[in-house]
Amino acid sequence: DVKVTQSSRYLVKRTGEKVFLECVQDMDHENMFWYRQDPGLGLRLIYFSYDVKMKEKGDIPEGYSVSREKKERFSLILESASTNQTSMYLCASSLRGGSNGYTFGSGTRLTVV
Amino acid sequence: GQSLEQPSEVTAVEGAIVQINCTYQTSGFYGLSWYQQHDGGAPTFLSYNGLDGLEETGRFSSFLSRSDSYGYLLLQELQMKDSASYFCAVFRGAGANNLFFGTGTRLTVIP
Repeated sequence: DVKVTQSSRYLVKRTGEKVFLECVQDMDHENMFWYRQDPGLGLRLIYFSYDVKMKEKGDIPEGYSVSREKKERFSLILESASTNQTSMYLCASSLRGGSNGYTFGSGTRLTVV
Repeated sequence: GQSLEQPSEVTAVEGAIVQINCTYQTSGFYGLSWYQQHDGGAPTFLSYNGLDGLEETGRFSSFLSRSDSYGYLLLQELQMKDSASYFCAVFRGAGANNLFFGTGTRLTVIP
């Protein structure tokens, strides 16, 4: 069974902390994505990557950065966490074309206090 | 700018048919996808329309009209387990190659 695994289901961090969210996929997918999901706002794209060491800004990249050193792993970094970054973070992956669907992880619920 | 419009809530009776509409305004349109998300779960892929017309997968069908910037998801023979949120998403395709999601429609199936 193919999987996208996010390292933590729940995280609580303090304002100003540097936060790392990890995502690993076992499907040999080229593309990986980070979305955040907030009530009433749907899923919003933060960053995506279509190859190792490549990254592209999504719709809301401010306050975030990413790292993709290996094909299977895509990390989201909050350089200095703020309360408005409290959210559900979803990682996804897809084959290069992408139209055959994304596979999502179960999400990380991040609370910044 | 980019926008996707879909109803926030829909209620339907078990065994019935329900249609969830989606209108979009976006650049770089390649196709329209639909995802289902149960409470506490991950979004799961339902369908993709790259061309105009109807795509059928079991009880679910999805339709696209590029000229009207419109699509819909049709769920037939509704079951209680279909209660979930449904998201339409524009596939922004080659180069951009990512999905832009709507805000979701919460479907409640009642007995």
